[in-house]
Amino acid sequence: KQEVTQIPAALSVPEGENLVLNCSFTDSAIYNLQWFRQDPGKGLTSLLLIQSSQREQTSGRLNASLDKSSGRSTLYIAASQPGDSATYLCAVNTGFQKLVFGTGTRLLVSP
Amino acid sequence: NAGVMQNPRHLVRRRGQEARLRCSPVKGHSHVYWYRQLPEEGLKFMVYLQKENIIDESGMPKERFSAEFPKEGPSILRIQQVVRGDSAAYFCASSPNDRGFYEQYFGPGTRLTVT
Repeated sequence: KQEVTQIPAALSVPEGENLVLNCSFTDSAIYNLQWFRQDPGKGLTSLLLIQSSQREQTSGRLNASLDKSSGRSTLYIAASQPGDSATYLCAVNTGFQKLVFGTGTRLLVSP
Repeated sequence: NAGVMQNPRHLVRRRGQEARLRCSPVKGHSHVYWYRQLPEEGLKFMVYLQKENIIDESGMPKERFSAEFPKEGPSILRIQQVVRGDSAAYFCASSPNDRGFYEQYFGPGTRLTVT
């Protein structure tokens, strides 16, 4: 049974810092991995999608890497801003687009 | 806006009533997924549907819950005789097919409160 863990559960940083969020999964047989952002009381916004054959994806200040064999992904956020404050979720696609989610990292960026 | 639409956004039901949650996928998407987010927990897969077919309902509670995605109209998640433990945010997602190349696009969710 696939399990996804995210560390840390919460993170508080001053504006401008570069930071790394971690995601690990127990079964390396995945199709892809997706990083989402969730604001309080809101839905999910897709940030990055990494296919199982890829090593990383970049979008603006975000960079996500995937090491399938070791069951790990990291989300790197450069030059963090208060607007980045949210919960970040990673989810692995175990087949037929069924996503297994981690419990998230709650990020607070203070001005 | 061609994104995933869900309604209602907030729903309050008394114990024993029925809750109906609706999801209209992105135009052209024929694959719909429902997830539930219990308070202080992660999102959990409930059911995967294609038009007129339930493909995978392995995450659905065995009783009181049902889902459909008719040929015409939105997908419906139905919860009969709601209990307090059903209070959660219910999210719908859609994709153009079930291959791993595509993202899932999520709706804003329906927040169900059972009193």
